[in-house]
Amino acid sequence: DVKVTQSSRYLVKRTGEKVFLECVQDMDHENMFWYRQDPGLGLRLIYFSYDVKMKEKGDIPEGYSVSREKKERFSLILESASTNQTSMYLCASGGDYPYNEQFFGPGTRLTVL
Amino acid sequence: KNQVEQSPQSLIILEGKNCTLQCNYTVSPFSNLRWYKQDTGRGPVSLTIMTFSENTKSNGRYTATLDADTKQSSLHITASQLSDSASYICVVSRRSNDYKLSFGAGTTVTVRA
Repeated sequence: DVKVTQSSRYLVKRTGEKVFLECVQDMDHENMFWYRQDPGLGLRLIYFSYDVKMKEKGDIPEGYSVSREKKERFSLILESASTNQTSMYLCASGGDYPYNEQFFGPGTRLTVL
Repeated sequence: KNQVEQSPQSLIILEGKNCTLQCNYTVSPFSNLRWYKQDTGRGPVSLTIMTFSENTKSNGRYTATLDADTKQSSLHITASQLSDSASYICVVSRRSNDYKLSFGAGTTVTVRA
């Protein structure tokens, strides 16, 4: 079974802090993704990576950056957290053509005070 | 405008009853449609996938249908159980290799004893 793990289930940070969210997958997938999920809006893609050190902006990249130094690990960075970044963050891996199935981690509930 | 619309936004049913969730999409060109189940505080897990040529797919008590001509899908839950309480998300993939998926906002199902 594919396993995608995220470093924290719950995080509370203060405005202006630098926040790191880490994701690890064990299925040797090329592609990894970071989403945020807000009520009524569904999942929105922040960034994705199709190879080590390769990344592409998703639909809402502002205020975020990412790092992929190793194939199995994909990190989401909030350089200076703001209250409007309070959300559920989901990491996924997979997405291979043609079925594009993505396997999701358990999520990190981030609260910025 | 979201390319995947789900209805209803939420519903409550009694244990043992059936229910049907709807998904309309405008994503084109169409590749496949997947229904995910997301338990509270968890990441989404795939229930079914249907390609253009398939019009029904079952997974236990879950049956998904697809009408690619009208761009509509439904998810039918038979003999609901308390464990069916979750959010159900419709996800559509385009026939391309850009990895991106289009997500509905989800339908929250609450099953009561």
